[in-house]
Amino acid sequence: ETGVTQTPRHLVMGMTNKKSLKCEQHLGHNAMYWYKQSAKKPLELMFVYNFKEQTENNSVPSRFSPECPNSSHLFLHLHTLQPEDSALYLCASSQDNEKLFFGSGTQLSVL
Amino acid sequence: DQQVKQNSPSLSVQEGRISILNCDYTNSMFDYFLWYKKYPAEGPTFLISISSIKDKNEDGRFTVFLNKSAKHLSLHIVPSQPGDSAVYFCAASTGNQFYFGTGTSLTVIP
Repeated sequence: ETGVTQTPRHLVMGMTNKKSLKCEQHLGHNAMYWYKQSAKKPLELMFVYNFKEQTENNSVPSRFSPECPNSSHLFLHLHTLQPEDSALYLCASSQDNEKLFFGSGTQLSVL
Repeated sequence: DQQVKQNSPSLSVQEGRISILNCDYTNSMFDYFLWYKKYPAEGPTFLISISSIKDKNEDGRFTVFLNKSAKHLSLHIVPSQPGDSAVYFCAASTGNQFYFGTGTSLTVIP
């Protein structure tokens, strides 16, 4: 147990659906991240929030919409995704830019 | 452009022997270097790290070596155990940005 909880663990959605991924950290950290892991590719940083303020958006398509209502919760809202968006989506948190603590991830399949 | 590279996708080692996982990077501004271990269907878990001002850090069976002039780091696991079988990711950070390699799948053969 890393202190970072992600739900759901698995998600299958059609291209016209709207869904949300949820992440909660119980570590009191001040930064939260969304990463995408596709097969045979390095983890790709999508978004970073420091103290609830988004500080990084690595050219992520607008069909991915993050939300950080407070320092412990992070959401990733999904709409009109493409099959190539199928991947493992990982949430992480850190304190003062030290090591990342990851959740177990959401395995997303877009049909 | 990939700033952190792990050129070996897989490695097999006999139990009890040393496992050496390698990583190269391109950005000389990285502050910290980290190794993560990942089992299937789980998120990566932190293993060991090293500051850019050091050249070695040891924690039990795990030792990380940093060669700044070569922009190279390595993870040594000795003795290797079957439970060490997993995918190992190298990462480097500057500020709040963490960059990861593609991972090396380690298999420790009993």
